[in-house]
Amino acid sequence: EPEVTQTPSHQVTQMGQEVILRCVPISNHLYFYWYRQILGQKVEFLVSFYNNEISEKSEIFDDQFSVERPDGSNFTLKIRSTKLEDSAMYFCASMSGTGIYEQYFGPGTRLTVT
Amino acid sequence: AQKITQTQPGMFVQEKEAVTLDCTYDTSDQSYGLFWYKQPSSGEMIFLIYQGSYDEQNATEGRYSLNFQKARKSANLVISASQLGDSAMYFCAMREGWNTGKLIFGQGTTLQVKP
Repeated sequence: EPEVTQTPSHQVTQMGQEVILRCVPISNHLYFYWYRQILGQKVEFLVSFYNNEISEKSEIFDDQFSVERPDGSNFTLKIRSTKLEDSAMYFCASMSGTGIYEQYFGPGTRLTVT
Repeated sequence: AQKITQTQPGMFVQEKEAVTLDCTYDTSDQSYGLFWYKQPSSGEMIFLIYQGSYDEQNATEGRYSLNFQKARKSANLVISASQLGDSAMYFCAMREGWNTGKLIFGQGTTLQVKP
């Protein structure tokens, strides 16, 4: 069964460093999302992406964040200068755009900023 | 105001019993979707069940069913015949308006199944 994959599974970085979180969505899906979950809290929407552009973003998704789909398979989230409060689990999700419109989530990348 | 409210931080259920996890939502949209996801201790998010706002029948998916009461704006998840592997965090989520929009999640309910 096709699945969303994310790398790395765990990333440790120092405050102020840039990180890139990578996702490979399900191959025929058209809509892509990033969410984050601070430990013990609810899952929060960051950004949605369709047709090579951002379709919606939350207040969390400020100028320090960017997304890219550099080729036909990868979908990346970049944080330019990490802060302690960026420590969270980051989930990528994809959706086909047909059917019941469920979003399939990847296993997540745990980002720890020290 | 909270869009999705899950009032039960933690629940216990005996193995093989049924359990209901509560979810209420708030929206002024006529078209929306309601989802339940399971998050085991390993951290991944597993899609369980979906209910569309225009669906007249309650959704069912194996041992999962969604008790959808539109007038009360509730979308409770019912798990029948609980198994030890059902122990996890459960999130209710809503998608407002257009079908490809973002999901808004509740705070989650931790379910523990006792042997």
